[in-house]
Parts: sequence; C-alpha cells; structure tokens
Amino acid sequence: NAGVTQTPKFQVLKTGQSMTLQCAQDMNHEYMSWYRQDPGMGLRLIHYSVGAGITDQGEVPNGYNVSRSTTEDFPLRLLSAAPSQTSVYFCASTPGGLTGELFFGEGSRLTVL
Amino acid sequence: QKEVEQDPGPLSVPEGAIVSLNCTYSNSAFQYFMWYRQYSRKGPELLMYTYSSGNKEDGRFTAQVDKSSKYISLFIRDSQPSDSATYLCAMSHAGGTSYGKLTFGQGTILTVHP
Repeated sequence: NAGVTQTPKFQVLKTGQSMTLQCAQDMNHEYMSWYRQDPGMGLRLIHYSVGAGITDQGEVPNGYNVSRSTTEDFPLRLLSAAPSQTSVYFCASTPGGLTGELFFGEGSRLTVL
Repeated sequence: QKEVEQDPGPLSVPEGAIVSLNCTYSNSAFQYFMWYRQYSRKGPELLMYTYSSGNKEDGRFTAQVDKSSKYISLFIRDSQPSDSATYLCAMSHAGGTSYGKLTFGQGTILTVHP
C-alpha cells in the first residue's frame, strides 16, 4: 500500500501559468480533500469530495478547480497561478467515521514567481 | 478572527519535561477534536482524537477537552527528542469529521533537546 501519493513534490511556476497537482490513493477511501499549508495559517481546506463525481468547496476555493472521475484520483488544478498561491499543498483521504483520521500525502511545494 | 487559535511557539523543552499544548475555538458546533503530529517535510498524522469533554490517555499522551470553555489541550509526559515536530489541533462537527472536513489550528512547533 502506497497510501496517498502526490506529484510533483516541487514545482515553480510563473504568474499566469496553469498546472495540475496529482493525487492518488490506493486505500479505496470514499472521501478525499485538498488542503494548503502556509506559515502562521495552519492547514486550510480548498476542496473536498465525498465520492466519484461529487465535489464541494472548502474554506479557500478561489483559483482552484477539482474533479473526481474515479475513487482513486483527485487532481487539483490551478487555473492561472498567482504569487498568493505559493504554498505547500496536501492531499488527504479518509474512509469516513468519527475519528477524524485523515491520511495525508507528503505534500507538493509550489512557488509562483 | 480565526475559528481555531493555537500558539505557534516555537516551544523548546529539555528531554523528560512535561509539555502542554493548547487550542481555543469559537464555533460551538465543533464536537470532534483531534491532535495531529507533523514531522518536517512530511504530511500530518493523527495522534489522538476525542469526542466529549474530559480526558483521554494514550501512553505518554493525554488529550483534554473543555467544551464549556472551548479549550482543548494535549499533554506529553516524559518528552523525548523523537517528539520534536509540529503539533496541530483540529476539530469539526459530525458531518465534517466523516468527510474529512476539518478546521485546523496554526500548529505549534515543539523541540525536545537531549
């Protein structure tokens, strides 16, 4: 079991460029989510999915798109990168239940110049 | 004002010390409370979770929740250098917990020196 796999681990973009952060999980978890982590801000929810074909917005969704065509994959798209999107992005999955246990990937570090 | 406030530290303690980490929150709908540990350059991992007010113990770790004061704590006894990490509190209402829709504190950076 690889768990939650994120690619790429590091990326540098120029303002206005677009890109996709990939996330895949092999645990057959129904629920997946994307968080961003910034100094002094903790983790903030961008988008989440409760199953294939179903997504919803989190706390900071502007500038990001998601889709969930399969249970395994949950890509995050940056439409037109801005310096404010410089951050570390974490994908997470959970089987549900009330423990609140999220299984996180190792993160994707994005710098927008 | 953030829904969840956590002192970012950094906190530096000697090996063997008792560590106290705290969070306050403002949303009365939060019912589920978690502590995550994050090592450098890694994703967070769940350390403890609790639902009701009171204490929950797991080895050297004790989680405490006081819903009346909207205050949660994590205590680490006999701290070890391997406990050096960032500790994040997280919380949610029932539905959010199921979906993975958590609200996190800012995280406290802890260093335990030998």
